Amino acid sequence: AQSVTQLGSHVSVSEGALVLLRCNYSSSVPPYLFWYVQYPNQGLQLLLKYTTGATLVKGINGFEAEFKKSETSFHLTKPSAHMSDAAEYFCARNSGYALNFGKGTSLLVTP
Amino acid sequence: GAGVSQSPSNKVTEKGKDVELRCDPISGHTALYWYRQSLGQGLEFLIYFQGNSAPDKSGLPSDRFSAERTGGSVSTLTIQRTQQEDSAVYLCASSFGGGLETQYFGPGTRLLVL
Repeated sequence: AQSVTQLGSHVSVSEGALVLLRCNYSSSVPPYLFWYVQYPNQGLQLLLKYTTGATLVKGINGFEAEFKKSETSFHLTKPSAHMSDAAEYFCARNSGYALNFGKGTSLLVTP
Repeated sequence: GAGVSQSPSNKVTEKGKDVELRCDPISGHTALYWYRQSLGQGLEFLIYFQGNSAPDKSGLPSDRFSAERTGGSVSTLTIQRTQQEDSAVYLCASSFGGGLETQYFGPGTRLLVL
């Protein structure tokens, strides 16, 4: 099955520290890949997506992700965490017309 | 402009009752999707509409679930004879076209079946 795996259901970082959220995909064909963020009691908001071309993708709110085919990874990073970054983050890949999501990673930012 | 809206935002029902969940997509978006988010299963795809047609219903968990879309706009997800395992957040998304266009999500309907 074509799937995505997010390593770590909970990640805690200090304010100002590097944020690294891990995502690996399974596929023999490079998929389109997405990162979404969900704030409490809200829907999902697209942070960034990889389709083709440049493997380093920049998104909103200072986030970026790098597509690495050799590692089948699409990890999300941000150089300096803000308190407002605390949320649930979902990695996803295309699966037909739908999106196939990972289980999510809850990011906690401590002062 | 207005985003995807869903109603009701919360719904509490008794086991065995029918419920209807509504989604208003972004104006001009031809594609509409329903997903379910639950603690045990994460985010699951339910159904995809292109216009009023549903070319992909593969995610509907049972025949108690149905959905329709009228006028290429509003969609209704109906759950008949609700069960406790139907308790979840039901998310709707829309996109300008199908395929790999960015999907924009609504805030969801939180369904609790007692």
